[in-house]
Amino acid sequence: DAKTTQPNSMESNEEEPVHLPCNHSTISGTDYIHWYRQLPSQGPEYVIHGLTSNVNNRMASLAIAEDRKSSTLILHRATLRDAAVYYCIPYGDNAGNMLTFGGGTRLMVKP
Amino acid sequence: EAGVVQSPRYKIIEKKQPVAFWCNPISGHNTLYWYLQNLGQGPELLIRYENEEAVDDSQLPKDRFSAERLKGVDSTLKIQPAELGDSAVYLCASSPGTGVWETQYFGPGTRLLVL
Repeated sequence: DAKTTQPNSMESNEEEPVHLPCNHSTISGTDYIHWYRQLPSQGPEYVIHGLTSNVNNRMASLAIAEDRKSSTLILHRATLRDAAVYYCIPYGDNAGNMLTFGGGTRLMVKP
Repeated sequence: EAGVVQSPRYKIIEKKQPVAFWCNPISGHNTLYWYLQNLGQGPELLIRYENEEAVDDSQLPKDRFSAERLKGVDSTLKIQPAELGDSAVYLCASSPGTGVWETQYFGPGTRLLVL
């Protein structure tokens, strides 16, 4: 199974960029890298996913290392509503074809 | 478009009582998931349905937990009898299919407290 390592917590100031790192050194070549986040008292919500190339959407950007052993979720301008737990999840055949949520990174945003 | 609907949002019961949670997935989503989330931890998959068929229930404690998805739409998760350790949030999610590029859409969860 693909294992992930994320910082337990990070802090950011409002309106500044945030880079959330994730190590997934045992990821297989066909596993996608998904990011979800969970706001307080809500279910997780999808943020972004990618396979090899960097990806952008309206919520965030995902930078994937060339060797795919790590990735970074980038929030370009953090807002107070971005305070949540962020989960990095390899998803594919090697990951059991299921989302396996680890501990995630708790992002705190200061005004 | 309506999201995943779960009810009730909160439930308090005494131990040894039965309890049931209901989930209505997003219309057209063939795949439905039930997750368990303990305090301070990430969600853990209990069971996955593809239409009416439970295709992955290896994490479901079958001595007291049961689930069904009649007609491949709504689903019910039941615990009988409940134990103190079952206090947690029960999350339902759905996705259009089972591809690893698919997004899972989660409901708000049912928070269960067993006294």
